[in-house]
Amino acid sequence: SQQGEEDPQALSIQEGENATMNCSYKTSINNLQWYRQNSGRGLVHLILIRSNEREKHSGRLRVTLDTSKKSSSLLITASRAADTASYFCATDFTGGGNKLTFGTGTQLKVEL
Amino acid sequence: EAQVTQNPRYLITVTGKKLTVTCSQNMNHEYMSWYRQDPGLGLRQIYYSMNVEVTDKGDVPEGYKVSRKEKRNFPLILESPSPNQTSLYFCASSPILYPGQNSPLHFGNGTRLTVT
Repeated sequence: SQQGEEDPQALSIQEGENATMNCSYKTSINNLQWYRQNSGRGLVHLILIRSNEREKHSGRLRVTLDTSKKSSSLLITASRAADTASYFCATDFTGGGNKLTFGTGTQLKVEL
Repeated sequence: EAQVTQNPRYLITVTGKKLTVTCSQNMNHEYMSWYRQDPGLGLRQIYYSMNVEVTDKGDVPEGYKVSRKEKRNFPLILESPSPNQTSLYFCASSPILYPGQNSPLHFGNGTRLTVT
């Protein structure tokens, strides 16, 4: 079964608002990564957070990790139309071998 | 420019006709992997390779083959394609920075395969 599950499946907001996406997983992890995918294109890595980290920032992105709840969130502040994309979490779970397990993604639409 | 290059971008074929999707990376990455993406199922790993001549099965390897004769290339081979292999395929690569942990992946732009 897939390791990461994103919530919500789809999100529509106005430009300038913040967007929050959540990812839950089932077993212990080494790290958790967030990716963005523009329609039909390859995924682009956004941020990696290790299991011993609680929060990371990169520009307008903020990622939190709560290993006790087995969940992570991605916050995009002051969203722009160009942020419209699908966002995926990928988990590197302990003992999972050499692979990242991707969730089904959150489709974000930022409207002008 | 550092990149992962897949070819072709689009491919329409018929059941049973062998095909190869090429993947090449210019970043000297040890790790390479193939994923397929289907609506509602996310990305699922087909095969991966830790280095030259080292390949291993992912979650959905049936009907696929790979080879890693050179570090930069990791072709995906469908010996006898079937309609259920119609999908969007992605090749990805990464360095191995920390033993036992996965590093960020660099993805190609995808190959959209249709098998009729």
